[in-house]
Amino acid sequence: EAQLLESGGGLVQPGGSLRLSCAASGFTFSTCLMSWVRQAPGKGLEWVSTLDGTTSTYYADSVRGRFIVSRDNSKNMLYLQMNSLRAEDTAVYYCVRRLKLGGGYPFEFWGQGALITVSS
Amino acid sequence: EIILTQSPGTLSLSPGERATLSCRASQSITTIYVAWFQQKPGQAPRLLIYDTSIRATGTPDRFSGSGSGTDFTLAISRLEPEDSAIYYCQQYFDAPLTFGGGTKVEIK
Repeated sequence: EAQLLESGGGLVQPGGSLRLSCAASGFTFSTCLMSWVRQAPGKGLEWVSTLDGTTSTYYADSVRGRFIVSRDNSKNMLYLQMNSLRAEDTAVYYCVRRLKLGGGYPFEFWGQGALITVSS
Repeated sequence: EIILTQSPGTLSLSPGERATLSCRASQSITTIYVAWFQQKPGQAPRLLIYDTSIRATGTPDRFSGSGSGTDFTLAISRLEPEDSAIYYCQQYFDAPLTFGGGTKVEIK
């Protein structure tokens, strides 16, 4: 059974940094497209970043230049390094597996999320 | 950026009724890469529909998706109490990938 478990959330001051981790199990992680999606308290969903099986990375304009997505396929781990954090980055961050289904890569399986609070 | 507008904001219906949720795109989505998600309080979103109309594994057949161009629809044919949730549409073709603002379905 597939599992995605996020960790590393917490309270950080504006301008600070934090690294989120996502531990994957129950599937062949190395071949999967992975994404991060966030949800501010009481708000909707916002795509943050995508990383393919190797090195291609994609970012939302709101985080480009501040966040870095990476993976360690030997450890089945996905990471999100978040720098220069702002109050508007406060959200639950979800790790998402994107499988090749039909013609595309829908957001097929989600972790339970990790809360990041940016506040002084 | 493709902006997705969902309507209505809230839908309040009785068990057994049919729900129709709308997702309108700011520009034509030239592929079928539209998905629908269900999110219950305190839970992660769950994929219901992908490629506009294909039910994901485990999605009951009372859920159906349709549409093309700028107008997409999620229908729930016979509402059950457990369908109470927020539903989001998403396009996963054009960067940046975008979500609609959600429709809350309440069961009376």
